[in-house]
Amino acid sequence: EVQLVESGGGLVQPGRSLKLSCVASGFTFNNYWMTWIRQAPGKGLEWVASITNTGGSTYYLDSVKGRFTISRDNAKRTLYLQMNSLRSEDTATYYCTRDQAAYWGQGTLVTVSS
Amino acid sequence: DVMMAQTPPSLSVAIGQSVSISCKSSQSLVYSDVKTYLHWLLQTSGRSPKRLIYQVSNLDSGVPDRFSGTGSQKDFTLKISRVEAKDLGIYYCAQTTHFPLTFGSGTKLEIK
Repeated sequence: EVQLVESGGGLVQPGRSLKLSCVASGFTFNNYWMTWIRQAPGKGLEWVASITNTGGSTYYLDSVKGRFTISRDNAKRTLYLQMNSLRSEDTATYYCTRDQAAYWGQGTLVTVSS
Repeated sequence: DVMMAQTPPSLSVAIGQSVSISCKSSQSLVYSDVKTYLHWLLQTSGRSPKRLIYQVSNLDSGVPDRFSGTGSQKDFTLKISRVEAKDLGIYYCAQTTHFPLTFGSGTKLEIK
């Protein structure tokens, strides 16, 4: 059974940093691209970043480029999202997803507020 | 960016009826490998989204065949036949052909 388990969310002040993690199981992690998608409270879905299966290429939403970094450790079957210079508009539940939105984690809530 | 125009924003339907949801993209969703990366997701209250259909018309494992997807290029439709109470939630279309990946704004399905 495919499982994606996110962690690392919480309340953080504007301008500070947070690092999300997603541990994968039930599939061959290093065969798949992985993606972070977020959902602001009461809003729709917004793609944040994607990474190829090897980690060799990454892609970002314009509004997070230069502030967020997606990475992965295939040996640990773990996906990361380093979020720096956080803004109030980054407040959302962040989902870890497998290639083509095939599987989703339970999400981790990030709240950016003073 | 590829805009995804999803309609209607909400639907109220009686059990047993059929409904259709439309999703129109601002660009063709056909990728260079000739596949079309248009998917349909369902988010039930308080839960993570779940993919129902991938690449226009392929049902994910465990999804009943009451669900069907059709379309091509820029125009896609999700049909739910014989709606059941467990089908309620918000349906999203999603394209993964072009970066940035984008989503429709959602269709809230309510049961009368």
